[in-house]
Amino acid sequence: EDKVVQSPLSLVVHEGDTVTLNCSYEVTNFRSLLWYKQEKKAPTFLFMLTSSGIEKKSGRLSSILDKKELFSILNITATQTGDSAIYLCAVETNRDDKIIFGKGTRLHILP
Amino acid sequence: EAGVAQSPRYKIIEKRQSVAFWCNPISGHATLYWYQQILGQGPKLLIQFQNNGVVDDSQLPKDRFSAERLKGVDSTLKIQPAKLEDSAVYLCASSLNRYGYTFGSGTRLTVV
Repeated sequence: EDKVVQSPLSLVVHEGDTVTLNCSYEVTNFRSLLWYKQEKKAPTFLFMLTSSGIEKKSGRLSSILDKKELFSILNITATQTGDSAIYLCAVETNRDDKIIFGKGTRLHILP
Repeated sequence: EAGVAQSPRYKIIEKRQSVAFWCNPISGHATLYWYQQILGQGPKLLIQFQNNGVVDDSQLPKDRFSAERLKGVDSTLKIQPAKLEDSAVYLCASSLNRYGYTFGSGTRLTVV
């Protein structure tokens, strides 16, 4: 059975800290790994990763994929209170364009 | 480009009542998904349409949930009768196959 596992499930840090969120997966016909930020209801897209070892960056956020060890990390440096959200990891498969989500990491940044 | 439209935004019903949600995907997006997201969990796929055909409905509780996508555009998701455990956010998403997913704002359902 395809599955995506995120850790930790929740994390509380102080503003300015750096955080690393983890996502491991077991899927057949892997196509890509996606990271989303969910603040209210609709998840908003952060990154799509398809190749191992190539870091994607957007401001203070970065992510990398390891297709051999089947995991990805999402780093956030110099965290701000606006980074408080649920971060979702999802994996796309080539089978019927299926996308499987992890349970998410709830991140809370203290001022 | 207009996004994925969902309505209503919020709905409160009593258990055993019926409810319906509507989704209008991005124009031209052939694939449409309905997800159920219970508080504290990631979205769970309920049903996936390719045009107006069902690709995957393995996690749809078919004794009470139904969904249709007439003419391969709009979609409705219905719950009849609702249970307390159906309280969740129902997200609709669409994709142009292989080029990313766009989510609607979701409908928050509270069953009391």
